[in-house]
Amino acid sequence: GQQVMQIPQYQHVQEGEDFTTYCNSSTTLSNIQWYKQRPGGHPVFLIQLVKSGEVKKQKRLTFQFGEAKKNSSLHITATQTTDVGTYFCAGSNLDSNYQLIWGAGTKLIIKP
Amino acid sequence: DTGVSQDPRHKITKRGQNVTFRCDPISEHNRLYWYRQTLGQGPEFLTYFQNEAQLEKSRLLSDRFSAERPKGSFSTLEIQRTEQGDSAMYLCASSLKGGGHSGNTIYFGEGSWLTVV
Repeated sequence: GQQVMQIPQYQHVQEGEDFTTYCNSSTTLSNIQWYKQRPGGHPVFLIQLVKSGEVKKQKRLTFQFGEAKKNSSLHITATQTTDVGTYFCAGSNLDSNYQLIWGAGTKLIIKP
Repeated sequence: DTGVSQDPRHKITKRGQNVTFRCDPISEHNRLYWYRQTLGQGPEFLTYFQNEAQLEKSRLLSDRFSAERPKGSFSTLEIQRTEQGDSAMYLCASSLKGGGHSGNTIYFGEGSWLTVV
């Protein structure tokens, strides 16, 4: 079946360092979405990417969708304690009947 | 509050008992989803409704799981004869029906935590 692999599983950074998480799909996606889940909370929608090669920015967050629409990344510049949480990518396509296929998430941990 | 609401937020039950969770979606959303999430994993899709029609239920984990959305508004997820492996967070989400290439933004509720002892 279709899969979305997300790496790394965890990333420990010092506050102020950058953070990046990567997603790779086994199939070409129509779109990819990114969500953030704070500890003890529920996933919250961040952004959707639809076009090949698309890059979108939200303040310190930069989202990219690969040219082949099979991979995506989220980069956070100069992390802050408020960035702590797990970041999930989720993609969909015709084969999935446009149901989201979720990555396992990358947990961002800020070192004390 | 106009978000997705779930009830109860926490449920502790004995193995073998039945449990039911309720979800009230965002009022103008016609799609409603149920997911399960265990620690360290992403949400696992279970089923979804468009209005009152259940369009996908093959991902329900076993025949002990069932969901309804009788009037196309709120939904219930029932787990019969609970097992310890059913312990997880059950997330409800809702969305508008979107165009296929531009995916549906999904809005999640706070989740219902189930502990089976």
